[in-house]
Amino acid sequence: QKEVEQNSGPLSVPEGAIASLNCTYSDRGSQSFFWYRQYSGKSPELIMSIYSNGDKEDGRFTAQLNKASQYVSLLIRDSQPSDSATYLCAVNNPGYSTLTFGKGTMLLVSP
Amino acid sequence: EAQVTQNPRYLITVTGKKLTVTCSQNMNHEYMSWYRQDPGLGLRQIYYSMNVEVTDKGDVPEGYKVSRKEKRNFPLILESPSPNQTSLYFCASSWRPKYEQYFGPGTRLTVT
Repeated sequence: QKEVEQNSGPLSVPEGAIASLNCTYSDRGSQSFFWYRQYSGKSPELIMSIYSNGDKEDGRFTAQLNKASQYVSLLIRDSQPSDSATYLCAVNNPGYSTLTFGKGTMLLVSP
Repeated sequence: EAQVTQNPRYLITVTGKKLTVTCSQNMNHEYMSWYRQDPGLGLRQIYYSMNVEVTDKGDVPEGYKVSRKEKRNFPLILESPSPNQTSLYFCASSWRPKYEQYFGPGTRLTVT
């Protein structure tokens, strides 16, 4: 069974701080990694995708991938109260045409 | 506007009454998928489709059926719903399974 692990949180940070969200995965063959943001009762919204080792930046978001450690992270700089949501990590399952999602980390950004 | 649509958005039904949740995408994506989301269990894949007439089971397919007769549509069928199928359902689509998936707005189903 493919596994994607995330700390459930909540992770509480003050407004303006850096939020760091982490995810580990079990299948060394995984090639695609995604971060989704989900507000309560809403659908997951893709915010970052990363396919190779290293960092990928998009605005206030940076995704970091370390395949050797089977670890992917999301940094949110200058956190805003509107960033308060659950963040889902998703990893592709090679050979199965599916994604496995972590259970998500709840982020709370206080004004 | 590129989007995935689902209908209905909310549905309350009774045990055993067949229902269909529709899903449609306008992005010409080949890959479509259905998920259910439950508290404490996260998002779990029910069925997916690689292309027209090609479907396969995900992690929790029991009690569900799907069909893919057209590229844009991927309905989810519950032939005899039971209370344990009460959940929030999402349809998603992608160009290929290893690329970004885009989600519909969700269907909240309650089976009494």
